[in-house]
Amino acid sequence: DVKVTQSSRYLVKRTGEKVFLECVQDMDHENMFWYRQDPGLGLRLIYFSYDVKMKEKGDIPEGYSVSREKKERFSLILESASTNQTSMYLCASCQRSYNEQFFGPGTRLTVL
Amino acid sequence: GQQLNQSPQSMFIQEGEDVSMNCTSSSIFNTWLWYKQDPGEGPVLLIALYKAGELTSNGRLTAQFGITRKDSFLNISASIPSDVGIYFCAGTGTYKYIFGTGTRLKVLA
Repeated sequence: DVKVTQSSRYLVKRTGEKVFLECVQDMDHENMFWYRQDPGLGLRLIYFSYDVKMKEKGDIPEGYSVSREKKERFSLILESASTNQTSMYLCASCQRSYNEQFFGPGTRLTVL
Repeated sequence: GQQLNQSPQSMFIQEGEDVSMNCTSSSIFNTWLWYKQDPGEGPVLLIALYKAGELTSNGRLTAQFGITRKDSFLNISASIPSDVGIYFCAGTGTYKYIFGTGTRLKVLA
């Protein structure tokens, strides 16, 4: 059974804290993605990576950075969390051919 | 970012009824995907379509890849209470997935 896992289901952080969200996939996928999902705005792409150490900005990269040191792991970093980054964060992965994309269970982040 | 037009936005149906929803785009896609998302959970892939005109089933779910490659349809037959959730489509051409706005389904027992 294919699997994308995320390090936390729920996180509560304070404004200004550095936040790490981890994602691991066991499908040997080349591509990995970070999205945020907000009511009324749908899924918005933050960053994606098509290979180890490679990254590309998505639609809303401001305030975020990413790291991909190993093929199976893709990390999202909030350098200095702000309240407007309170959201549901979803990690996903797919093969290089961009067919089926699989999502993790999500991390609900609240920034106080 | 761009979103696909998905309709209806929401629907209430009786248990046992069939459900239809669709997704349209101004762009051509090579792949159409359909997902279901439960509250507080990540989307789960239901069906993937790869060829114009393709009709694919997964249990009570049937989806079709439109001939024009700009639309897709999802049908759920004989709905049950656990079908409740948000269904959304996604299309991809090259390097990016575009998502639909979602259809919220509520099933009345």
